[in-house]
Amino acid sequence: EAEVAQSPRYKITEKSQAVAFWCDPISGHATLYWYRQILGQGPELLVQFQDESVVDDSQLPKDRFSAERLKGVDSTLKIQPAELGDSAMYLCASSRNPSRTGELFFGEGSRLTVL
Amino acid sequence: SQKIEQNSEALNIQEGKTATLTCNYTNYSPAYLQWYRQDPGRGPVFLLLIRENEKEKRKERLKVTFDTTLKQSLFHITASQPADSATYLCAFSGNTPLVFGKGTRLSVIA
Repeated sequence: EAEVAQSPRYKITEKSQAVAFWCDPISGHATLYWYRQILGQGPELLVQFQDESVVDDSQLPKDRFSAERLKGVDSTLKIQPAELGDSAMYLCASSRNPSRTGELFFGEGSRLTVL
Repeated sequence: SQKIEQNSEALNIQEGKTATLTCNYTNYSPAYLQWYRQDPGRGPVFLLLIRENEKEKRKERLKVTFDTTLKQSLFHITASQPADSATYLCAFSGNTPLVFGKGTRLSVIA
């Protein structure tokens, strides 16, 4: 069964360092999402791509976060510099439905700890 | 501002009973409502989707209702089992991307 692949699964870094997360969505899924989930909270959308274009990045802290999906397939989320408050699970999801009504398929997430 | 509330942070029930989880929303008119299951340290897994013009949706032991008058969705698991223990997230969508609630942690006790 096709899955959304994410790496790394765990990342520990010191504040002010740069970190990057990678996501490979399910083949054929044009829509890709990055969510951040703080422990005990629900996932919060950071950025949504349709193919290689950003559809929604209104909640992305653009002073330190960046995301790209250059060829409309896999995607990278970068944080530079990392801050203590960035400690969270970073979830990637994809959907086959380009609208905002389809079910999302999530990866296992990348757990970030900033020391 | 838009708000989604899952009334209980945690719910404990006996095996075999029906678990009922609640999700309320304010300042929002979602067209779709989804429920996801999340196990510790894992990504959420889609369970059910219900549209605003549907009152009820069922899938095996799961049932979801959507009441746009009360601005509420109820999620039921009948004949609950210890394997149903997890966090359950509700999420709304329409003209905006999926907005998730905080989740309810369900524990089914044998």
